Amino acid sequence: EAQVTQNPRYLITVTGKKLTVTCSQNMNHEYMSWYRQDPGLGLRQIYYSMNVEVTDKGDVPEGYKVSRKEKRNFPLILESPSPNQTSLYFCASSMRDRGGGYTFGSGTRLTVV
Amino acid sequence: AQSVTQLDSHVSVSEGTPVLLRCNYSSSYSPSLFWYVQHPNKGLQLLLKYTSAATLVKGINGFEAEFKKSETSFHLTKPSAHMSDAAEYFCVVSYSGGYQKVTFGIGTKLQVIP
Repeated sequence: EAQVTQNPRYLITVTGKKLTVTCSQNMNHEYMSWYRQDPGLGLRQIYYSMNVEVTDKGDVPEGYKVSRKEKRNFPLILESPSPNQTSLYFCASSMRDRGGGYTFGSGTRLTVV
Repeated sequence: AQSVTQLDSHVSVSEGTPVLLRCNYSSSYSPSLFWYVQHPNKGLQLLLKYTSAATLVKGINGFEAEFKKSETSFHLTKPSAHMSDAAEYFCVVSYSGGYQKVTFGIGTKLQVIP
């Protein structure tokens, strides 16, 4: 089954404790992206990657890191989480062309206390 | 630069009546346009997409949208609402030309009243 897999689905952590949210897709998609979803703000792009070793900032990159060492994986790293990073996070992938819509993961609900 | 505006944050309809969710966009380039649906506690699912072919686009679950360049609109419609349509809907504009820029609207919550 074609899918984007995120882990974990739920995470509660403390301020300053480094964490990684994993994202993996099995569709050989070139393009991958991370979004956060907050009430009243819709989805805002954090980082995206056009292909292996090619990443760039989205609209709200502060406090986040990403890497793209393999085509299928695109982990999101919070080096020192803070409470304002409490949010619902989505990973998405697509073919790198105009016709491609996203396939989304099921989301990771992160709470930083 | 590109942007997308969903004109209603909440829409309420009775079951069996038509649905209209409004979306306007702006883009410096010829855009691709999408509608996604998000049911409670779920990820987003692609409903339909416009990519410069037919201006009337049919999607899943009886939804369709019409691309109107003169009005810079891409409204989502369905002739008859079903209870299972209650969800949040996102209009999305994207441009792919050397880089890929994707912009989401803030969403419209659709309530369906029995």
